[in-house]
Formats: sequence, structure tokens, C-alpha cells
Amino acid sequence: DQQVKQNSPSLSVQEGRISILNCDYTNSMFDYFLWYKKYPAEGPTFLISISSIKDKNEDGRFTVFLNKSAKHLSLHIVPSQPGDSAVYFCAARYSYDKVIFGPGTSLSVIP
Amino acid sequence: NAGVTQTPKFQVLKTGQSMTLQCAQDMNHEYMSWYRQDPGMGLRLIHYSVGAGITDQGEVPNGYNVSRSTTEDFPLRLLSAAPSQTSVYFCASSYEGTSGSSTGELFFGEGSRLTVL
Repeated sequence: DQQVKQNSPSLSVQEGRISILNCDYTNSMFDYFLWYKKYPAEGPTFLISISSIKDKNEDGRFTVFLNKSAKHLSLHIVPSQPGDSAVYFCAARYSYDKVIFGPGTSLSVIP
Repeated sequence: NAGVTQTPKFQVLKTGQSMTLQCAQDMNHEYMSWYRQDPGMGLRLIHYSVGAGITDQGEVPNGYNVSRSTTEDFPLRLLSAAPSQTSVYFCASSYEGTSGSSTGELFFGEGSRLTVL
């Protein structure tokens, strides 16, 4: 039973527009939520995180929103650039313990 | 600045063979873990360790063994390889800061692609 879900396997967005990637989770014990970006033949790289006690975190073009009541988080990329084309993984951490990943969303930013 | 180093990068095994995937980190991280990536399944946690001498099972531990005798190394052993273990394996590490300063950020190696025939 998946604890971290990303229901959209893929997403296409025009360059310059906003990309919104969604993630749902089932376990209230997670204390941190993270987003990772992955290019083919490389390891995932950390993008941005948010504590479970916050509802928003921003870093440049990337903003993560957390809605705890809905057990939902989203990653906004504004403006989207062709170099953002990659697979994005949502992840959640139990307190100082294991980190669980979702299945990923493949983002294509069209020039 | 090596970070997390995985060896080998590629490996082909026959069913029933055993092997060890090596993982080493030079960042003095307490936390280390192994994931496998399969199409449509994302990254699934195999085993993890919160410090030397301590290991625990993740989501898909069957068929794999780990040990953590030093802070730096966290090898993953396949005891009797099966075609279902064909995958890309990633090792990751993380520091645990004091006063709740850790954000859970994982540092990943470049991956080891394993094919079991």
C-alpha cells in the first residue's frame, strides 16, 4: 500500500508557464516532505523540503505547499524552463528515520 | 569531494549467483540507505541504517542483506540473485543535525544497474 502517491505519471508544460506537481500521503507521522529531481542515468538530487509544521516553503523558482488536513503537497515551478524537464519524486520522512518516495512524475517543458 | 560512491556501476549476474553492491560516503553521515528504482514504481526503500551497528528493513527487504560496521560503508548483499532483482540500485546518506536542524535531505550516489539473467 503506497504511503506516498503521485497520481500523474507525466506532465507537459509550455516554457515560461507554471508547472504544478502534486503529491498525496497517507501517514500523519511524517515530519518532513521533500522533492527530488532526477535526470536519466543520474542519482536523484534534492530540490526543496518542507517541515510538517509549515504550510509553504520557497526557494527561487520553486515553492512547495503543504495542506496537512488534506494530506496533500504540491511543487510549483515558475517560470518553467526546458532544463526543468526531468522526473520529480515526492518523498516523506518519518522522524529521524526512513524516507519513503512516491512513484514520480515526468515533467516535460516544451520550448 | 566524493560524496556517495557506488560500485560497480553495471553488473550482470546469472540466477542464483550472489554479489555485493558497495556504497561509501565521506561526509560522516549517520544515516545511510539503499533504494531500488523500477519503472512506474519510483524509488523503493530496501534497507536503511541510522548509525554504525544499526540496520532496519525498508519496504522491499526480501532477498537482500546489509550490515553497517563503519560509519562510511553500507554494502548491500544479494544472497541468491533472481530476475526480479533486475533494477537500478541507489545508495543514499544523510546527516542528522542537532536541535532538529536536519531536513531529511538525502545525498544519492550515481546508481548501480544490475541485470539478472
